Amino acid sequence: AQSVAQPEDQVNVAEGNPLTVKCTYSVSGNPYLFWYVQYPNRGLQFLLKYITGDNLVKGSYGFEAEFNKSQTSFHLKKPSALVSDSALYFCAVRGSTGGGNKLTFGTGTQLKVEL
Amino acid sequence: DSGVTQTPKHLITATGQRVTLRCSPRSGDLSVYWYQQSLDQGLQFLIQYYNGEERAKGNILERFSAQQFPDLHSELNLSSLELGDSALYFCASSVEGAANTGELFFGEGSRLTVL
Repeated sequence: AQSVAQPEDQVNVAEGNPLTVKCTYSVSGNPYLFWYVQYPNRGLQFLLKYITGDNLVKGSYGFEAEFNKSQTSFHLKKPSALVSDSALYFCAVRGSTGGGNKLTFGTGTQLKVEL
Repeated sequence: DSGVTQTPKHLITATGQRVTLRCSPRSGDLSVYWYQQSLDQGLQFLIQYYNGEERAKGNILERFSAQQFPDLHSELNLSSLELGDSALYFCASSVEGAANTGELFFGEGSRLTVL
């Protein structure tokens, strides 16, 4: 079975500072990893993904994520946070073998960026 | 705009009733996924359809059923509703086969309130 852990319910950061939202995963085979963002009363928006290749993946709105196979992690990062980045962030995983194409999501991390 | 359309956006009903949620996937996407988002359970995968056939099943209650029609739109039927069924129900779609790059595209969701 595949699973995702987001150990922090909430992350607070000051605008202009770097941010990190943590994610670890468990899956059979090679992982397909994703980050989504959800603004209040909206659907989930795709940010970025790792399928294969370079461990550092760049996505929308200046976000990036680093895949670390030995630590089974896929942390979301941004060099300089904006107040408008405040939202709920979900990490998701899908195995390359079995399990179909469904994504398994973590419980989400609320990011709060303050002035 | 993800291209996935869900109706209704909001629905208020009473316990014991039955409701139908509707989803139109992105043009060209053959797969439809249903997820339930609640405060205590997070994002839970319910069921996936591919080109009219059930492909994968998750934590879907027996009181719930879904189908995908020849025009590829999908409906999620929730019956004998209980207070605990109050949640945000998301539909997502994806391409399949060689064009599949893993990410799902989510609709804005249908918020169900059971009183």
